[in-house]
This record gives sequence, C-alpha cells and structure tokens, in this order.
Amino acid sequence: QVQLVQSGAEVKKPGASVKISCKTSGYTFTNYYIHWVRQAPGQGLEWMGVFNPGAGGTIYAQKFQGRVTMTRGTSTSTVDMELSGLTSEDTAVYFCARDLLGGTYYPLFYFDYWGLGTLVTVSS
Amino acid sequence: EIVLTQSPGTLSLSPGERATLSCRASQSVMSSSVAWYQHKPGQAPRLLLYGASKRATGIPDRFSGSESGTDFTLTISRLEPEDFAVYYCQQYGSPPLVTFGGGTKVEIK
Repeated sequence: QVQLVQSGAEVKKPGASVKISCKTSGYTFTNYYIHWVRQAPGQGLEWMGVFNPGAGGTIYAQKFQGRVTMTRGTSTSTVDMELSGLTSEDTAVYFCARDLLGGTYYPLFYFDYWGLGTLVTVSS
Repeated sequence: EIVLTQSPGTLSLSPGERATLSCRASQSVMSSSVAWYQHKPGQAPRLLLYGASKRATGIPDRFSGSESGTDFTLTISRLEPEDFAVYYCQQYGSPPLVTFGGGTKVEIK
C-alpha cells in the first residue's frame, strides 16, 4: 500500500535551516509529484510547493520562493524539503503529500496520500 | 489571489444528521479545480472530493459536492461518528497556485 513516512520532529533556532524527508513506498516513485503543505498551530493548511521526482523540477509558492528547496533525497524513493531563514512564524507541522494522478505532464494539485506530518518548532 | 472562505466555522450536529459545509471563492474558479479534505487531529488529511464533486477512492457516497457560481458545498448526508473532524476546501489556479479555506469544524452536538 502507498505510504509516505516523514522524518522526526525538529527544534531550530531563528535564522537556521531545517530539512525534512519524506520516504515513499508502495508505488512507482518517479511517476507521482510530491507536494509540501504546512499547518501552523491553530491555523489552516498552506501549500508550499511541488516536486517532480522523475525530472527533478519544482514549482514553489511565491511566499516561499528563495527560502525553500525541494530535492530528491539520498535515500531511495525519498523527497527532501529544506526551509531556510527560519522565524517563529515557521513553527508548524509540515506534510508531504502525493499528487492524485501519476504519469502526468503537470501536477493535478489534488493530494491523495499524505504523511503524518513533521513538527518543526522555531524558538530561541 | 483567490481567497476561499468557509462557513460556518463550527457546525454542531448529532450523528445521523445532515451536514452542509460552504466554501466561497473570492473570484471565479474552475469547478474542476476544487477539492475537499477531512482532517482529524494527529492524522493525515484525507482527500474526499476533487473536481468539486468526484469522490476519491474509497470515499462513501454519503459525501457529495456541488457548486453554484463561486459557491461550493460539501454535504454529508447522514453523519457517522467517524465524520466529526475539520473539513477544508482547496483550489488550484493562478499563483500562489494552491489555496485552502480556513476550515469548518464539525463537532458532536
């Protein structure tokens, strides 16, 4: 079955960077885009961007341009997301999520399988 | 930027009742670009509907979606105990490409 397993919680100081990994299984890794979505405490969901594991391309939300980098991880079938220049406003649970359809030229921007989330706390 | 406004913020209902959740877009959006998710604390969000009314795999038919202009509606025909959760609508389009509504909490009355 399809699974997305994320790395563990992180505590970072303001100004630092954090890298979160999302290990996928149960499907052909290169066929499905992987998105990143975050949820700050008490807030709604916020889309950060999408990564194409097949070709390595990315589309980032304008808000995160210049601060976020999504790449293929060093482990098999893994996607990494790195966020730099952290502030307290980046304290959130970060989710990776798979795009609904595989083998498409462009993401569908619907998310059918999600990881359980990684809590990132930014505090001095 | 398209803003999605969900209402009500909280819906207090009993099991067996009908739930009607609203999502209003600040400007015209393609119905094919709207989805609904269910989210419970500590769990991964769950895709319910996409294309405004298409049920995702494994989603029971008590969940349905409709649209009228810029208004999108998620209806749960008869609430089951496992349906009490927060529901988000989502759309994709011009940058920032994907936006979510603020959520509607469906709680047990």
